[in-house]
Amino acid sequence: QKEVEQNSGPLSVPEGAIASLNCTYSDRGSQSFFWYRQYSGKSPELIMFIYSNGDKEDGRFTAQLNKASQYVSLLIRDSQPSDSATYLCAALNYGGSQGNLIFGKGTKLSVKP
Amino acid sequence: KAGVTQTPRYLIKTRGQQVTLSCSPISGHRSVSWYQQTPGQGLQFLFEYFSETQRNKGNFPGRFSGRQFSNSRSEMNVSTLELGDSALYLCASSLDASGMTGELFFGEGSRLTVL
Repeated sequence: QKEVEQNSGPLSVPEGAIASLNCTYSDRGSQSFFWYRQYSGKSPELIMFIYSNGDKEDGRFTAQLNKASQYVSLLIRDSQPSDSATYLCAALNYGGSQGNLIFGKGTKLSVKP
Repeated sequence: KAGVTQTPRYLIKTRGQQVTLSCSPISGHRSVSWYQQTPGQGLQFLFEYFSETQRNKGNFPGRFSGRQFSNSRSEMNVSTLELGDSALYLCASSLDASGMTGELFFGEGSRLTVL
């Protein structure tokens, strides 16, 4: 059973702090990893993806991947109240043409003003 | 550019009934995936259609079915509804097969309540 595990939270950080969201995955064949953000009552939207070990930065967001440890993280610098949402980690195993995204259950982030 | 459109947005059914949900993908997108989202289980993959063919299927009973039309619009059907089918059903489209890109564009969802 391929699984993606996330701490459900809620993770509460003060405005301006760094929020650190973590994710582990069980399928060593997973090759790509995605972070989706879901505001309450809304649908998920893709905010970042990472394929290679190391860090990938996009504005205030940094995704980190360690395939040896099967660990993915998302750092949000200078957290804003508008970042308050549930963050979903997803892993993709291409597996030929049959791959699909396996989502974690999400971590709820609350940024306090 | 119009996003993914799902209809209906909300619906209430009783046990034993069936329901059909509709999804229109972003123009030009050929892949449509369906997910069930519940507080306890999170996002669970139902199936994906690409060019009218089911490419992949999750671990759901045969009561859950779907299809895709030549214009890429997709429908999913749930027969003999059970209380546990109450959930938000999300449709997502992608330019290529989702198993190749992982970049999904979600609709607002259809919230199904089974009484």
